[in-house]
Amino acid sequence: KAGVTQTPRYLIKTRGQQVTLSCSPISGHRSVSWYQQTPGQGLQFLFEYFSETQRNKGNFPGRFSGRQFSNSRSEMNVSTLELGDSALYLCASAHRTPNTEAFFGQGTRLTVV
Amino acid sequence: AQKITQTQPGMFVQEKEAVTLDCTYDTSDQSYGLFWYKQPSSGEMIFLIYQGSYDEQNATEGRYSLNFQKARKSANLVISASQLGDSAMYFCAMRVISNFGNEKLTFGTGTRLTIIP
Repeated sequence: KAGVTQTPRYLIKTRGQQVTLSCSPISGHRSVSWYQQTPGQGLQFLFEYFSETQRNKGNFPGRFSGRQFSNSRSEMNVSTLELGDSALYLCASAHRTPNTEAFFGQGTRLTVV
Repeated sequence: AQKITQTQPGMFVQEKEAVTLDCTYDTSDQSYGLFWYKQPSSGEMIFLIYQGSYDEQNATEGRYSLNFQKARKSANLVISASQLGDSAMYFCAMRVISNFGNEKLTFGTGTRLTIIP
């Protein structure tokens, strides 16, 4: 059974650009959550999607957005990149609600220069 | 608001010894779940163990066990017979089930565990 797949693994972007990250959850999982991990702020919740609907949202500016497709794959978009957006972005998928296990991907490491 | 506190930034443990990683939490909700994750240098968060607030017995998964003390609001992870491959960052996390489908995890700051041969 394939795990959570995030693409790309590494990304370098310039300030002001936008970026799209992708997450394919474990087959059969309908919940996909996104987290940002930085040395200064630690792990912070961005948003969660379930059956193509955003159910929960963290305290991030509107530059951070996401969506989920009918096959449960999810994308996260960050517009007008800032240096502070450099981070490891992790995606987690879960089967049941409420979940007792959330499985994470290897993350996308975004560097903004 | 929910909060997770991990007071040990780093720990060094001799191989084959048992290790306890501390985690305390704060929430006013009665229904919640507690998780432990391992994050090696590769970055992936590996799920280790889960404890529900209404579970009467401590959770165990192989060499991992969760010492759940509800009155003290603590959820310490115990790793028995540590191995070199256990060297990693360990995160404690909590999810509050305050409404349907609230899957947000609140994480602690983590403990970096180093196993010494």
